[in-house]
Amino acid sequence: NAGVTQTPKFQVLKTGQSMTLQCAQDMNHNSMYWYRQDPGMGLRLIYYSASEGTTDKGEVPNGYNVSRLNKREFSLRLESAAPSQTSVYFCASSEFTGDYGYTFGSGTRLTVV
Amino acid sequence: GENVEQHPSTLSVQEGDSAVIKCTYSDSASNYFPWYKQELGKRPQLIIDIRSNVGEKKDQRIAVTLNKTAKHFSLHITETQPEDSAVYFCAASESGFQKLVFGTGTRLLVSP
Repeated sequence: NAGVTQTPKFQVLKTGQSMTLQCAQDMNHNSMYWYRQDPGMGLRLIYYSASEGTTDKGEVPNGYNVSRLNKREFSLRLESAAPSQTSVYFCASSEFTGDYGYTFGSGTRLTVV
Repeated sequence: GENVEQHPSTLSVQEGDSAVIKCTYSDSASNYFPWYKQELGKRPQLIIDIRSNVGEKKDQRIAVTLNKTAKHFSLHITETQPEDSAVYFCAASESGFQKLVFGTGTRLLVSP
């Protein structure tokens, strides 16, 4: 009964380094999302995947790429990290129909120095 | 696209008082309005939601009201307790799909 699992929980990167944030859900949800949370700015959508095989840009996609590997997994990649990408990243999933509520992962706190 | 504004940014109340958080949205086609509670260092968790065909919904001490004409919705917490202290986010779904746009959050502090 894991829900949405994110790894890693914490990460420190140097400017220019790359990394991939992993997200997996075991609820058979169709839709998955990546948000970033910054103080005073709420949760802003980076990318989302309405269903397996599709991905779309959200509000703040620059500097990121995503892969919907299968129905369970949705990864977020930073190709060349910048200090402006220091944030807390949340993955979420939801059913496409019926209950619209999101289930969030526990978050990844990323610091870029 | 959808824009959600949330007020106030901080709210301090005494235990037992009521708390009200208000949000406005811009897209008249939005049809789903959830509220999330986020405790310090934790993930946001859904506490209540309302759909556009309903004007009010209540769950114990928590209620949400929706005014579609004015495009605003509110969270009401009665008989507040210290464990209600958290950041609360409202959200609205863009028309046609459940991609949520979030407000900037309200930090609620309930003092004993």
